[in-house]
Amino acid sequence: DGGITQSPKYLFRKEGQNVTLSCEQNLNHDAMYWYRQDPGQGLRLIYYSQIVNDFQKGDIAEGYSVSREKKESFPLTVTSAQKNPTAFYLCASSPLLGNQPQHFGDGTRLSIL
Amino acid sequence: DAKTTQPTSMDCAEGRAANLPCNHSTISGNEYVYWYRQIHSQGPQYIIHGLKNNETNEMASLIITEDRKSSTLILPHATLRDTAVYYCIVRTLRGGSQGNLIFGKGTKLSVKP
Repeated sequence: DGGITQSPKYLFRKEGQNVTLSCEQNLNHDAMYWYRQDPGQGLRLIYYSQIVNDFQKGDIAEGYSVSREKKESFPLTVTSAQKNPTAFYLCASSPLLGNQPQHFGDGTRLSIL
Repeated sequence: DAKTTQPTSMDCAEGRAANLPCNHSTISGNEYVYWYRQIHSQGPQYIIHGLKNNETNEMASLIITEDRKSSTLILPHATLRDTAVYYCIVRTLRGGSQGNLIFGKGTKLSVKP
């Protein structure tokens, strides 16, 4: 089935450690997005990419980095500079043009040890 | 900031219609209304979207007022599995390409037996 796969489902990070969250899609979508969700809150945009080898900062990009080397993959690295990384991270994808909706993966929950 | 206003929570009896309101009084002519829902610890699920006409699909109906300042999502026969947080989002298409989703806190719908 077509869809978005995020891995791992749960991730633990030690203080001062970088971690990378995986996001893969087989929907042939040009655009991909990373959101962060804190308990009881809506989603906030971290980074997005509309084309391979190009990406833009969202509202809360500090302490995060991304790459887009392939159309189907958009990994997110949570760096040690992110002082409050504990959250639920969601990846989404969509066609670039038109009004078709974004589709989401099932998320990765990151916790600090 | 989110451009929509939704009640914090609502209850609905199982088997009855659930009507979820959304106010988007500052919506502009090129902005679509999207509805997503999120079940705990899962990614948001797309439900329906529209511009100015009422829309219906296998999941729900979307009723948009003539002045487009508010809308209602209707789940015709709510089941216990419809218990979730429902997000109403307005989104701009900029030059044909998609604008980012801005999530508010949504409405927590509880379907009761």
